[in-house]
Amino acid sequence: KNQVEQSPQSLIILEGKNCTLQCNYTVSPFSNLRWYKQDTGRGPVSLTIMTFSENTKSNGRYTATLDADTKQSSLHITASQLSDSASYICVVSAYGQNFVFGPGTRLSVLP
Amino acid sequence: EPEVTQTPSHQVTQMGQEVILRCVPISNHLYFYWYRQILGQKVEFLVSFYNNEISEKSEIFDDQFSVERPDGSNFTLKIRSTKLEDSAMYFCASSERFLAGEGTDTQYFGPGTRLTVL
Repeated sequence: KNQVEQSPQSLIILEGKNCTLQCNYTVSPFSNLRWYKQDTGRGPVSLTIMTFSENTKSNGRYTATLDADTKQSSLHITASQLSDSASYICVVSAYGQNFVFGPGTRLSVLP
Repeated sequence: EPEVTQTPSHQVTQMGQEVILRCVPISNHLYFYWYRQILGQKVEFLVSFYNNEISEKSEIFDDQFSVERPDGSNFTLKIRSTKLEDSAMYFCASSERFLAGEGTDTQYFGPGTRLTVL
């Protein structure tokens, strides 16, 4: 069964600190992996998209990594800001199929 | 910057009533999607739509659901006879190209419609 798991479920960090969020998936055959940021009560916003051949992708202070062999991805946030407080969702697509969403990691950045 | 818009932002309805949720995708996009997110749960795919036809649908998208592109701009989701468990946030999304398979286009989500079934 295609599944996406994320850890931790929630995370609290202080402003300015770095953090790393994890995603494990069993989606097959793998096509691409996306990270989204979802503010409370809003639609998800795309951060990064990676295919099988890519093992890292950056978008400003966000850097995603992908290990297709171990079926793991991480999202690293550098120098966190209060506005980074949101849910971060890992989404995996298999060839010919639509997206499988992870449950998200809720990040809270405190001053 | 172009964006996906959705109306209404919040819809309250009685169980058994029909509701229509509306979306205006980004104008040059060809592929449209509906997702739902029950409060506190993950986002779930409902249906994708292209060239006036459903491309894919999930198990959730049963006979009580339908989608339509009635004109050149709107994309609607109809729930014929709402149930309590239909209460959720419904997100519309669009992309220039189809995102299953090898597609890596960015998918743009609307702000959502919160549906409350009483």
